[in-house]
Amino acid sequence: EPEVTQTPSHQVTQMGQEVILRCVPISNHLYFYWYRQILGQKVEFLVSFYNNEISEKSEIFDDQFSVERPDGSNFTLKIRSTKLEDSAMYFCASSEAGIKFSSYNEQFFGPGTRLTVL
Amino acid sequence: AQSVSQHNHHVILSEAASLELGCNYSYGGTVNLFWYVQYPGQHLQLLLKYFSGDPLVKGIKGFEAEFIKSKFSFNLRKPSVQWSDTAEYFCAVRGGGSTLGRLYFGRGTQLTVWP
Repeated sequence: EPEVTQTPSHQVTQMGQEVILRCVPISNHLYFYWYRQILGQKVEFLVSFYNNEISEKSEIFDDQFSVERPDGSNFTLKIRSTKLEDSAMYFCASSEAGIKFSSYNEQFFGPGTRLTVL
Repeated sequence: AQSVSQHNHHVILSEAASLELGCNYSYGGTVNLFWYVQYPGQHLQLLLKYFSGDPLVKGIKGFEAEFIKSKFSFNLRKPSVQWSDTAEYFCAVRGGGSTLGRLYFGRGTQLTVWP
């Protein structure tokens, strides 16, 4: 069964450093998402991406964050200058389509990358 | 903005006990509703979903959920839990407006089942 994969599984970085989290969505999917979960808190939406541009972003997704689909398979989340409060589990998700209320827009999640900012 | 409330943070049951996990949401329009499960060390997996039609939805592994529009609720149920159901359960909502695609999650309920 196809799966969303994410690398690395755990990333440790110093405050102020740039990090890139990588995701490989399911191959025929067209919509891509990033969510994060700070320890003990809710899973929060960050951004959705379709047709090589951002479809929607949350208030969390400020200028420090960017997303990119550099090739036909990868989908990346970059944090330019990490802060302590960026420590969280970051989940990538993908869906086949974004049609309203279509069964094709079920989101499939990856295993997550645990980001620790020291 | 939409919000999702899960009333139970941690539920502990013995095997064969019945389970009901509460979920309430705040969006007044048409919604899609989901329950995801995260087994220890694994990723979020879809347990079941409601888009339209029969408000009683059956999912995998014997789980079901009932959408009650008047109560803004989508509670998850299982008549007889197993040790292997130990996991974290997340309720999620997606509205039909400009937030197409975006899921709003509850805080999650950790279920521990003792053999």
